Amino acid sequence: DADVTQTPRNRITKTGKRIMLECSQTKGHDRMYWYRQDPGLGLRLIYYSFDVKDINKGEISDGYSVSRQAQAKFSLSLESAIPNQTALYFCATSEGVWSEQYFGPGTRLTVT
Amino acid sequence: AQSVTQPDIHITVSEGASLELRCNYSYGATPYLFWYVQSPGQGLQLLLKYFSGDTLVQGIKGFEAEFKRSQSSFNLRKPSVHWSDAAEYFCAVGLNTGFQKLVFGTGTRLLVSP
Repeated sequence: DADVTQTPRNRITKTGKRIMLECSQTKGHDRMYWYRQDPGLGLRLIYYSFDVKDINKGEISDGYSVSRQAQAKFSLSLESAIPNQTALYFCATSEGVWSEQYFGPGTRLTVT
Repeated sequence: AQSVTQPDIHITVSEGASLELRCNYSYGATPYLFWYVQSPGQGLQLLLKYFSGDTLVQGIKGFEAEFKRSQSSFNLRKPSVHWSDAAEYFCAVGLNTGFQKLVFGTGTRLLVSP
């Protein structure tokens, strides 16, 4: 089984809808991250969490919120989706701040 | 401003030929440096990292990278490319400014020709 799983893998939604992307990890790590990937822009950090009680904004958090339900689960929500949130979203986890980050397979989100 | 530059958007290499992917960073101190690979339809996987010490680091899948402080570069190399190396490669820099985070370059897509 994969160390980091993301659901759904693909999602098409309409402008204004609320959507949640879910991430689960079996690595036992405290640190979890949400990134978005856009062509030509690389990966940009949306939110990160150092443990269940410590959640921090990344460089592009506007329009997003997160929930850390447990050590293993970190969800990303788009409260009111807009077309420029169309992107590939990755969840990742790591043991330490500069340790290897283990990535999920990604969620491809399209907002129409 | 701190940044990571991968000047090549696409590179095509013949199978069996050598490969070098370029990465330059702009940062006041020596940052932590990483190379990740993203195979089609998958998440990113760490190839190698540099924190300190020997400036030539070995990674998985036969890759290596050399840190050159004078050039602010951390180029990725492989002596003989295999068709399975076709993927997108990301250089990343670890920054200790405000909050600790990885800053990724824009990526280089490697195509391998027969």
